[in-house]
Parts: sequence; C-alpha cells; structure tokens
Amino acid sequence: DAKTTQPPSMDCAEGRAANLPCNHSTISGNEYVYWYRQIHSQGPQYIIHGLKNNETNEMASLIITEDRKSSTLILPHATLRDTAVYYCIVDNYGQNFVFGPGTRLSVLP
Amino acid sequence: DTGVSQDPRHKITKRGQNVTFRCDPISEHNRLYWYRQTLGQGPEFLTYFQNEAQLEKSRLLSDRFSAERPKGSFSTLEIQRTEQGDSAMYLCASSPEQGSGFEQFFGPGTRLTVL
Repeated sequence: DAKTTQPPSMDCAEGRAANLPCNHSTISGNEYVYWYRQIHSQGPQYIIHGLKNNETNEMASLIITEDRKSSTLILPHATLRDTAVYYCIVDNYGQNFVFGPGTRLSVLP
Repeated sequence: DTGVSQDPRHKITKRGQNVTFRCDPISEHNRLYWYRQTLGQGPEFLTYFQNEAQLEKSRLLSDRFSAERPKGSFSTLEIQRTEQGDSAMYLCASSPEQGSGFEQFFGPGTRLTVL
C-alpha cells in the first residue's frame, strides 16, 4: 500500500498557484518525498524531491513540514498544460516506488 | 533525445501469444525498473535491476513474466502465453546509483492490448 494520502482531485484557475497537499505521517528518517505527474497516456514525469529542506526547481517548489509528516507541491503559475495526475511518493534509496491513486489536477481557463 | 526509450509504443496481440518489450535507459544510469499500469491506477512496481543483476521482483511478476538486462544496459520484458488481464501500459524507468535521492526517470511506456 502507498505510504501517502492525497486528495483525489483539485481544480485551479489558470495563472494562479496550485498547491497540492500530501500526507505521509509514517515517513521514516531516511525516506525522501518525491513528486511525479502523469499526463494522459504518457509516462510519469519527475518533478521534484526532498528530504528535509524545502526545494525549488524550474518546475515547482516542495514545502516539507518540520515534522516531515506532510508536504505541499506548489506550481506557482499553473497553465492548462499542468492538467495531470500528480503522485506523491515516499521511499528510501528509490528501489521500490509505491504509487497511490494521486491527485487529478484540473487547471481551468 | 537522451531520455528513457521504449519499444514498441503499442502492441496488440492475441491471447496465448508471447510478447517482448525493450527498454533503453539513460546511458549513465545503473538502475532500471519495470512497472505496469492499468487504466485509472497508478503504476505498480514489477522488478528492478542494478546493472545486470535483478535485485527485486514483485509478486505481480508471475511465472509467465521474465525480465533480463544481460549487459547492464538495455532490458527486455517478456510475457509468455498472454492473457487478457495482461492488457496494460508497461513502463520502464532508470535512475543513477549515486546521487541525492535516486529519482527515477520514466519512458513513454508500451501499451499492450491482448485480444
């Protein structure tokens, strides 16, 4: 079973920030938090990952709470092309990713 | 394009036939993974290689499934005596052995339809 819990769906207005939450209350000290997204009929696309500190790259920001029991993926200016299923995964050493059902984000014009 | 590639992208076969899929990982990546994804579900882990060694197999990988990575570069996934329940997207991913987090990079997948 997936070690994470995500809302099944979310809507976001185009141009606004999309904030996708993920709960991982049983995360252990050496487990990373990874975010992927999957656009229909394509392979999952890596977005970002982190261990303890907040992370930012050209695609998104990852905010991890101090107790590491939850995190938020932020897409700062959502576009229609960001419509996808977003997966939050926790794992150590990347040997066996367990994907849950993810969050279906719909960016609305 | 230096990403993960998979071939073929689509395969239609009749029940009982054997099929083989190929995955070419990112060239400097030691680790290679196979996943299966059915409609509406997230990908499910099947197996994992580090170089040519198959280190982990899911219980989903029945005796009809076999994966190889003979020279530690490309990998093949074979399904023997296909069944309609094998219809799915088969995804390959690769990751570096060293690094900050072992993030996996996925290919476009092979969509299998068993008639």
